Amino acid sequence: SQQGEEDPQALSIQEGENATMNCSYKTSINNLQWYRQNSGRGLVHLILIRSNEREKHSGRLRVTLDTSKKSSSLLITASRAADTASYFCATDQGAQKLVFGQGTRLTINP
Amino acid sequence: DARVTQTPRHKVTEMGQEVTMRCQPILGHNTVFWYRQTMMQGLELLAYFRNRAPLDDSGMPKDRFSAEMPDATLATLKIQPSEPRDSAVYFCASGLRGVQPQHFGDGTRLSIL
Repeated sequence: SQQGEEDPQALSIQEGENATMNCSYKTSINNLQWYRQNSGRGLVHLILIRSNEREKHSGRLRVTLDTSKKSSSLLITASRAADTASYFCATDQGAQKLVFGQGTRLTINP
Repeated sequence: DARVTQTPRHKVTEMGQEVTMRCQPILGHNTVFWYRQTMMQGLELLAYFRNRAPLDDSGMPKDRFSAEMPDATLATLKIQPSEPRDSAVYFCASGLRGVQPQHFGDGTRLSIL
């Protein structure tokens, strides 16, 4: 079955609010990555968190990882219209490849 | 900025025709991945190469799909014969040291009529 299931499938918020997306997975991982995809474009890497890390920051992004619960969350603070995109988590299970979830569609309303 | 380049960006063709999609990975990257994205299945890994050698193509229908890397600057994905169910967006991604991280092209949107 697909690893990296995102929740919610879709999220719509007002500009300036914070957006939180969650990802759950089933097996042990080396690391977990988050990607963004704008409409009609390829995925863009946002952040990588290793299995021995609990939290990581990059600009307005904050990622947490709870290996005991096999879950991760991506927080985007002070959202902007340009953050409108689909967000995917991807797990590195050590098999030299990533497994992507189905994604969360985020809409930021002006 | 270095980018992964995919051609063509769009392709519409009739069932039964051969389709060839091309990818130029980022110079110096030693790993190349092919993915297919559909609304129903999401992003599926079809095949990947390291140092031009195929490592895993278990996600690819072998009877009609083939993937090659003739040289370090070109990866190809071929479908012959194409079927309507092959309609999807096909992405190429490249990386250095495997999966950390992957750089995606903007995809080839394929429609098989």
